[in-house]
Amino acid sequence: GDSVTQMEGPVTLSEEAFLTINCTYTATGYPSLFWYVQYPGEGLQLLLKATKADDKGSNKGFEATYRKETTSFHLEKGSVQVSDSAVYFCALRAGNQFYFGTGTSLTVIP
Amino acid sequence: NAGVTQTPKFRILKIGQSMTLQCAQDMNHNYMYWYRQDPGMGLKLIYYSVGAGITDKGEVPNGYNVSRSTTEDFPLRLELAAPSQTSVYFCASSFYASYNEQFFGPGTRLTVL
Repeated sequence: GDSVTQMEGPVTLSEEAFLTINCTYTATGYPSLFWYVQYPGEGLQLLLKATKADDKGSNKGFEATYRKETTSFHLEKGSVQVSDSAVYFCALRAGNQFYFGTGTSLTVIP
Repeated sequence: NAGVTQTPKFRILKIGQSMTLQCAQDMNHNYMYWYRQDPGMGLKLIYYSVGAGITDKGEVPNGYNVSRSTTEDFPLRLELAAPSQTSVYFCASSFYASYNEQFFGPGTRLTVL
């Protein structure tokens, strides 16, 4: 069945470091792919999305490219800030269902 | 737009009590979902609905019931609460098209003692 596998955390980085959070997926069709962010005590918010192969989603300095050949959608940011500390979820949509990874906790220290 | 709203924000129940978690959206979304998130874990789908009058089970439906009488509202009913239902509950909604994302409510933190 459809599923998402996400890099285990927690991840701790110094401010201005480079961030990569790996995400791979399994799907039978052509899913849309998403990254969500969850700040403490809040619901999930959409960070970025890509709806077809080779699309690049970007927002607030974060980027992810939909790679069909490697079934991946890795999240990257060139220079993280303390305010990026949160839990990040990779997700795919197949039809009317959404499938989420287990989440990766990121802590950025000054 | 208020987006997706959930009430209450917090609730403590005793074992065996019942309650209804409310969820409403004002974006005219066809699809609505209920998830639970246990500490340090991802999301597990409880129930979902693709339109008024249509609901279907997700991964963990036992101990819960839902109804969808209007496009806007999707309440989740807990009957005979158990400690295993202690969790944070999120409601979400989306349009039907496959490229559309979900919009999430702020969550309800439920403790069953």
